[in-house]
Amino acid sequence: GAGVSQSPSNKVTEKGKDVELRCDPISGHTALYWYRQSLGQGLEFLIYFQGNSAPDKSGLPSDRFSAERTGGSVSTLTIQRTQQEDSAVYLCASSSRQGEFGYTFGSGTRLTVV
Amino acid sequence: GNSVTQMEGPVTLSEEAFLTINCTYTATGYPSLFWYVQYPGEGLQLLLKATKADDKGSNKGFEATYRKETTSFHLEKGSVQVSDSAVYFCALGRQLTFGSGTQLTVLP
Repeated sequence: GAGVSQSPSNKVTEKGKDVELRCDPISGHTALYWYRQSLGQGLEFLIYFQGNSAPDKSGLPSDRFSAERTGGSVSTLTIQRTQQEDSAVYLCASSSRQGEFGYTFGSGTRLTVV
Repeated sequence: GNSVTQMEGPVTLSEEAFLTINCTYTATGYPSLFWYVQYPGEGLQLLLKATKADDKGSNKGFEATYRKETTSFHLEKGSVQVSDSAVYFCALGRQLTFGSGTQLTVLP
């Protein structure tokens, strides 16, 4: 596609429920990143994919968070047993190379846990 | 590890004023440096970048020079416009370590 697409754009969920966030990167971009933007924490790196592999998962905050990427394209970030502190905007970005020339970001998914 | 220290905001300027947003970094090696901008209600956009020491990135009248000796990448614009009102983020490296962001408001 022309840009990085994320869905849903907004998600309200009850505490304890699982959520899935989707990212469609730019076609042909091999590198894909997830970030989290929250008040007081700024922008935090979560996980990086090169193709379908995740060489760096160091930013995932707990084992409730997981992500996968299939076909070198779409990625899904799953948060299990959501907590209120998970409320944030989750951003996806993709790049044709390993970030040396910048990334294209999606508009994000705003997650609210009530 | 890598870190980015960015000038705290908010910054409020009058139209046509000169802008500087300071950014310093700590890193292993010489990573690429970036400025991203987030306009109200929109996603992050790459504003400019520099990939090696002494490189100057420029876009839309904004400039930043990769200074190895001072480990800095300050953002400058000679004459800001109301439409430049946004949050600006300094970032470095392949995994994009971000600064905390600086809110800029330009008044007419």
